[in-house]
Amino acid sequence: QSVLTQPPSVSGTPGQRVTISCTGSSSNIGAGYDVHWYQQLPGTAPKLLIYVNNNRPSGVPDRFSGSKSGTSASLAITGLQAEDEADYYCQSYDNSRSGCVVFGGGTKLTVL
Amino acid sequence: QITLRESGPTLVKPTQTLTLTCTFSGFSLSTSGMGVGWIRQPPGKALDWLALIYWDDDKRYSPSLRGRLTITKDTSKNQVVLTMTNMDPVDTATYHCAHRPAPGTFFDFWGQGILVTVSS
Repeated sequence: QSVLTQPPSVSGTPGQRVTISCTGSSSNIGAGYDVHWYQQLPGTAPKLLIYVNNNRPSGVPDRFSGSKSGTSASLAITGLQAEDEADYYCQSYDNSRSGCVVFGGGTKLTVL
Repeated sequence: QITLRESGPTLVKPTQTLTLTCTFSGFSLSTSGMGVGWIRQPPGKALDWLALIYWDDDKRYSPSLRGRLTITKDTSKNQVVLTMTNMDPVDTATYHCAHRPAPGTFFDFWGQGILVTVSS
C-alpha cells in the first residue's frame, strides 16, 4: 500500500487532455512538501517529468504540467500523443517516517 | 553529464546478503546538498524507495526495511554501496540508483537498473 494514492489507470484519445491525481496526507503533501512526477516508458528507467510541483526539466514538452493543492497534486497532459503511453509516478517526502521519500502506486496511461 | 550505473549479482539465494554498487560520474558526492538514493521496482509493480545518502554522510532508510539496509559512500571512487540482508523471493526487483540534486527532494538522473532475482 503506497503512502501516496494514484488511480491505477487512466486513458484518453489522441489530442485529449488527461489528468492523474496524487493524494497524500498532512504528513507529506499537506505538510508542504513538494511533489514530483516521473514518466516510465516500458522497459526503461523512470524519467523526471515535473519537479517541485510545476517545473519541467529541459526537454520536457509544455504539454505536461503539474499542480498542487492541500493534500493532493495533479499531473495534466494536454494534446495527448501515442508516445505518452507510459506509467506515471508521483513522489514527495513524508515527515511521519523520519523524513523519508515516498512514491505513489503509479498510474498506467493508455492512449486509445 | 550525469550518469549512474548499478552493478552486482543478478541472482542471490534466500537468506543471503545482497551488495549493490552504484558508480556515478558527472558530479561529486562531496558537494553540499548532493545525494544518491536507491529505489527498487518488483516486476509489474510500483517504485519503492529504499535508502538515501547525503554529501555529509547523513543516511535515511525506508522504515519498512530499516534494519536490513546499509548505505555507504566512497567519495574518492564515486561509488555508493547498498547492502540488504536476509534476502527473500519478495525482494526480487529491478534496483535503481539515482541522483538527488542540491537543492531538491527529487531524483533527476537514474541508472538503468539491475534486475536481482532471489531464488534457491
